[in-house]
Amino acid sequence: AQTVTQSQPEMSVQEAETVTLSCTYDTSESNYYLFWYKQPPSRQMILVIRQEAYKQQNATENRFSVNFQKAAKSFSLKISDSQLGDTAMYFCAFMRTQGAQKLVFGQGTRLTINP
Amino acid sequence: NAGVMQNPRHLVRRRGQEARLRCSPMKGHSHVYWYRQLPEEGLKFMVYLQKENIIDESGMPKERFSAEFPKEGPSILRIQQVVRGDSAAYFCASSPATLRYYNEQFFGPGTRLTVL
Repeated sequence: AQTVTQSQPEMSVQEAETVTLSCTYDTSESNYYLFWYKQPPSRQMILVIRQEAYKQQNATENRFSVNFQKAAKSFSLKISDSQLGDTAMYFCAFMRTQGAQKLVFGQGTRLTINP
Repeated sequence: NAGVMQNPRHLVRRRGQEARLRCSPMKGHSHVYWYRQLPEEGLKFMVYLQKENIIDESGMPKERFSAEFPKEGPSILRIQQVVRGDSAAYFCASSPATLRYYNEQFFGPGTRLTVL
């Protein structure tokens, strides 16, 4: 079974700073997808970024980028020029490419951006 | 195109009552996933359904919980004889049926169940 671990329960940075959230996972699959989801106080789950394991290039979406280290099974999220609206819970998630495509989530990191 | 809709948004039940949570997938989506989020935890997969079929229920508690996705109408997650430990946010996600490796799951706003 796959597991996802986020070792930072909480993080706090000043507005405009850069912050990196950590995620490690365990799987025996060779191909899969990894995601970062944002959950603001509204509780709506918002997809931030997606990485396909067979792609070596790290995914980027505007101020959000990932550092995907397949051998180390590490998938960190970097948020550049952080904004107050980035304050939220962030969840790392794993999905197999075969079979039922259910998401396996980590425990989450509560990120606070301070003015 | 309306997003995934869940109702009710908030549901309060007393111990022993039944809870029915509804999920209407996005238009054109025939796959539905249910996840549960306990306080201060991540989402946990419960069940994956396609129209009239349960595909994977490996995350469903063995007793009191059931789910369906009929040919017509919303998907229903039913919890019988609720207990305080069932208090959680329940999220539904839907995806289209394609032959691609990856089909994005679109999440609803969730139903927060409180058991008194």
